[in-house]
Amino acid sequence: GENVEQHPSTLSVQEGDSAVIKCTYSDSASNYFPWYKQELGKRPQLIIDIRSNVGEKKDQRIAVTLNKTAKHFSLHITETQPEDSAVYFCAATNEQTGANNLFFGTGTRLTVIP
Amino acid sequence: NAGVTQTPKFQVLKTGQSMTLQCAQDMNHEYMSWYRQDPGMGLRLIHYSVGAGITDQGEVPNGYNVSRSTTEDFPLRLLSAAPSQTSVYFCASSYRRILYEQYFGPGTRLTVT
Repeated sequence: GENVEQHPSTLSVQEGDSAVIKCTYSDSASNYFPWYKQELGKRPQLIIDIRSNVGEKKDQRIAVTLNKTAKHFSLHITETQPEDSAVYFCAATNEQTGANNLFFGTGTRLTVIP
Repeated sequence: NAGVTQTPKFQVLKTGQSMTLQCAQDMNHEYMSWYRQDPGMGLRLIHYSVGAGITDQGEVPNGYNVSRSTTEDFPLRLLSAAPSQTSVYFCASSYRRILYEQYFGPGTRLTVT
């Protein structure tokens, strides 16, 4: 099955700086890569996703890049704010299976220091 | 829309007890799933369903049963609780085609003593 690795496990940045979280995946058939944000005690919520036919996607201060050849994808958060502090999970799945089974990375705890 | 709901929010069980975690969604999603979240391990898929009457195993199915008699409900049963099943359980749902965003429930924190 798919194996998703995520780094770093913890990340502290000063407010206003950028944060980058990296993930690698093992199954070359995976073609959908969402990122979820989980605030303390809350449910995971989708913040951005990318499909394998696209190399980069942006949504305001958040961007995701995908390198299919190297089988890795990254989350970039610019101009970080204290409310960005949370645990971020990357995930991968193969949409063609018809079952939306997500394989998650182990998470990155991001702390934005005011 | 209530989205994805889960009950109970918290539960304490003794080893060997059984119980059912409830999950319901009102978005007419075909796909539903159960994940468990443990510190340092992310979310791992327990069981999933692609429609009423269809269920299948995920990564960590042992000790759990599911059924899907309706589109809306997807209960997770712990047959004989063990301390290793202490975790936070999330139910999620989504469409199967085109729109893949998974919506998660609020979670159930289970402690087995």
